[in-house]
Amino acid sequence: DTGVSQDPRHKITKRGQNVTFRCDPISEHNRLYWYRQTLGQGPEFLTYFQNEAQLEKSRLLSDRFSAERPKGSFSTLEIQRTEQGDSAMYLCASSLGRQGGYEQYFGPGTRLTVT
Amino acid sequence: AQTVTQSQPEMSVQEAETVTLSCTYDTSESDYYLFWYKQPPSRQMILVIRQEAYKQQNATENRFSVNFQKAAKSFSLKISDSQLGDAAMYFCAYRTTGTASKLTFGTGTRLQVTL
Repeated sequence: DTGVSQDPRHKITKRGQNVTFRCDPISEHNRLYWYRQTLGQGPEFLTYFQNEAQLEKSRLLSDRFSAERPKGSFSTLEIQRTEQGDSAMYLCASSLGRQGGYEQYFGPGTRLTVT
Repeated sequence: AQTVTQSQPEMSVQEAETVTLSCTYDTSESDYYLFWYKQPPSRQMILVIRQEAYKQQNATENRFSVNFQKAAKSFSLKISDSQLGDAAMYFCAYRTTGTASKLTFGTGTRLQVTL
């Protein structure tokens, strides 16, 4: 078990460009979460999946953001037409859900800088 | 909506001493989970300790223990025999027991450990 992995670890992009991040959860974890963390703040929930179904989206997730989890395995988070306010650390976490416990295991994050 | 408040942006403790980090939360739920997560510099977030609200006994994990006061909605973390490796950001987090299993985090407390 290699833990939750995220790719890339760092991304620098120009305002207006599209970016896509990938998260690979711990194998067999059926729940996957995306959070955003800005400097000096705690992580804020963006969205979560149970298997391939996206069950909840935060109001923070504007229509420029889209997340997918095809086949209930890895997940991607895409930001279209990036803005400077999108600069943050994007964290992914996974868990087994209620039956298997409730701990969320976090990945190392993708740090996005929009110039 | 649930909120989590950490009123100590920074704390400092000498090696081998004890330190207590404070957390208060607001919820109308009667059953929920509370967590303390540790985020070392440039490293991923890891779970330190968790508490189920229905349990009256305070959780302990080696040098880490909590003081859970349900009526006061207070959930403090005590670190005994502090070590240099304890230096990190510590986040208090709340989660309901329902299917919406997102974590709500506080703003964090930066803990420095000095010799």
